[in-house]
Amino acid sequence: GAGVSQSPRYKVAKRGQDVALRCDPISGHVSLFWYQQALGQGPEFLTYFQNEAQLDKSGLPSDRFFAERPEGSVSTLKIQRTQQEDSAVYLCASSKEGGYTFGSGTRLTVV
Amino acid sequence: AQKITQTQPGMFVQEKEAVTLDCTYDTSDPSYGLFWYKQPSSGEMIFLIYQGSYDQQNATEGRYSLNFQKARKSANLVISASQLGDSAMYFCAMREGSNFGNEKLTFGTGTRLTIIP
Repeated sequence: GAGVSQSPRYKVAKRGQDVALRCDPISGHVSLFWYQQALGQGPEFLTYFQNEAQLDKSGLPSDRFFAERPEGSVSTLKIQRTQQEDSAVYLCASSKEGGYTFGSGTRLTVV
Repeated sequence: AQKITQTQPGMFVQEKEAVTLDCTYDTSDPSYGLFWYKQPSSGEMIFLIYQGSYDQQNATEGRYSLNFQKARKSANLVISASQLGDSAMYFCAMREGSNFGNEKLTFGTGTRLTIIP
């Protein structure tokens, strides 16, 4: 597609529920990043893929967070046993030759 | 220490005036890149302008220019002739290292710009 597509756009989860957030990067973009943006803050790095390889997961806040990109294209960020502090916008970005393109994000609200 | 510092939480500017959004950065890597993004209420991060650490000239993109002062470690965004559509959050970000596309961005806390008609 023309841009980075994220779904769902909004997600409300009950505390303790598992959620899965999807990112469709721009076709041909090798690099894919996930960021977490809390209300009123700048995005914070979570994890980075180059093709299907997860090269950096240093930003994942706990072992409840898991990301995958099995075929080097679509990526899924999974959060297990969601907690209130997980409420945020989750942004995906893909990159090629120095330019980063962001999706519109998934707004996760944990109630 | 914060890697990216944006000291202006909010700014109000009259339409058609120029505005400068401040950004200072901290890195020991000689190779880095500085980015500015605009985030409207829709949530998408829109790329505005890029400055590489080895670039000799300040970057310009239409109404956007970057006032890069390497010795002071500042990379201020200047928007000329502001328009109502410029109202948004603005983020300064840094990529450390020389591998384009292969390094994470570190963002500041942002500045909320409001253009007054």
